[in-house]
Amino acid sequence: GESVGLHLPTLSVQEGDNSIINCAYSNSASDYFIWYKQESGKGPQFIIDIRSNMDKRQGQRVTVLLNKTVKHLSLQIAATQPGDSAVYFCAENMGDNYGQNFVFGPGTRLSVLP
Amino acid sequence: DAGITQSPRYKITETGRQVTLMCHQTWSHSYMFWYRQDLGHGLRLIYYSAAADITDKGEVPDGYVVSRSKTENFPLTLESATRSQTSVYFCASREPRTGSGNTIYFGEGSWLTVV
Repeated sequence: GESVGLHLPTLSVQEGDNSIINCAYSNSASDYFIWYKQESGKGPQFIIDIRSNMDKRQGQRVTVLLNKTVKHLSLQIAATQPGDSAVYFCAENMGDNYGQNFVFGPGTRLSVLP
Repeated sequence: DAGITQSPRYKITETGRQVTLMCHQTWSHSYMFWYRQDLGHGLRLIYYSAAADITDKGEVPDGYVVSRSKTENFPLTLESATRSQTSVYFCASREPRTGSGNTIYFGEGSWLTVV
């Protein structure tokens, strides 16, 4: 069946460096993708989204890249800060009516080293 | 600050007991969802609702019951709690999907332990 996965379950980066978190998806029909940040003990927090008619979208210090050819999604965080330490996971949606077909990956834990 | 409020945030209950997790949203979003989050798994959908009095099963509905008598509330009930239902439960909501896509917004979670 369709699934969303992450290549790296844990990622450690130095403060100030750029972070890249990857996600693979398997359903070529997915047309909407979201990255979430989840801090310990809290709910998932929306970071950025992208539709399949785009290959790049930028926010504040974050960029999402979508490569539909290889079904790959990545989240780039510029100048990583201690407050960026969290679990990040991606989600894909396949154009359903209610959002009932969002598929969420298990997440990558980002640790920012001082 | 408006948004999605879940209660209780933490709950310990015994096997066989009935437990209700409450969810209240102030955005007037049409769609609401209940997910569970377990270690090693992504969020899994339990139930969802498109509007008041309209609910439907998600991926893992067994052992759960929902209702939606009002748009802003979407309680989740475990009729007879089992240890396998020990998990973190997230309520979420969104607006009907538009051409630009609509994200799902989550509450802060309810940590449930069944002993």
